[in-house]
Amino acid sequence: EPEVTQTPSHQVTQMGQEVILRCVPISNHLYFYWYRQILGQKVEFLVSFYNNEISEKSEIFDDQFSVERPDGSNFTLKIRSTKLEDSAMYFCASSELQARYGYTFGSGTRLTVV
Amino acid sequence: AQSVTQLDSHVSVSEGTPVLLRCNYSSSYSPSLFWYVQHPNKGLQLLLKYTSAATLVKGINGFEAEFKKSETSFHLTKPSAHMSDAAEYFCVVTRRAGGSYIPTFGRGTSLIVHP
Repeated sequence: EPEVTQTPSHQVTQMGQEVILRCVPISNHLYFYWYRQILGQKVEFLVSFYNNEISEKSEIFDDQFSVERPDGSNFTLKIRSTKLEDSAMYFCASSELQARYGYTFGSGTRLTVV
Repeated sequence: AQSVTQLDSHVSVSEGTPVLLRCNYSSSYSPSLFWYVQHPNKGLQLLLKYTSAATLVKGINGFEAEFKKSETSFHLTKPSAHMSDAAEYFCVVTRRAGGSYIPTFGRGTSLIVHP
């Protein structure tokens, strides 16, 4: 069964450093998403991406965050200057036709900011 | 606005007994609803989905859910719990945002299975 692949599985970074989280969505999917889950809390929407642009973003997704699909296969989330509170599990998801067929999530990247 | 409420933060059952995880939603249009499971230190796995076809939806690992429009509910059930079912379960409804449909998660229900 097709999978959404996320790398790395775990990343430790120092406060103030830039990090890039990588995702390879399912190849025929058109819609892409990033979510985060702070330890013990709910899964929160960050951003959705379609047709090479952001279609929706949450209040969490401020100027420190950016997304890109640089080569037609990877979908990346960049955090420019990490803060301690950015420590969380970050999930990438993709879907073929949005709600109709469901959303496939990756296994996540655990980001630890020290 | 679309939202989802998982009524129980924790549900504890004995192995071999039925499981009921409750989910209520609010939506101004006919929603798409999903249940996802997250095992410890793992990603999110789709259990089942409702997208306006049959109201009783069967998923993986013996789980099923029934869409009840009159009760705005989409409860997840399983006739007999297994130890391996112990995990966090998320009910998800799609929220319309402009031309997009954004999955919106409930807070999650932790299923504890006792031997």
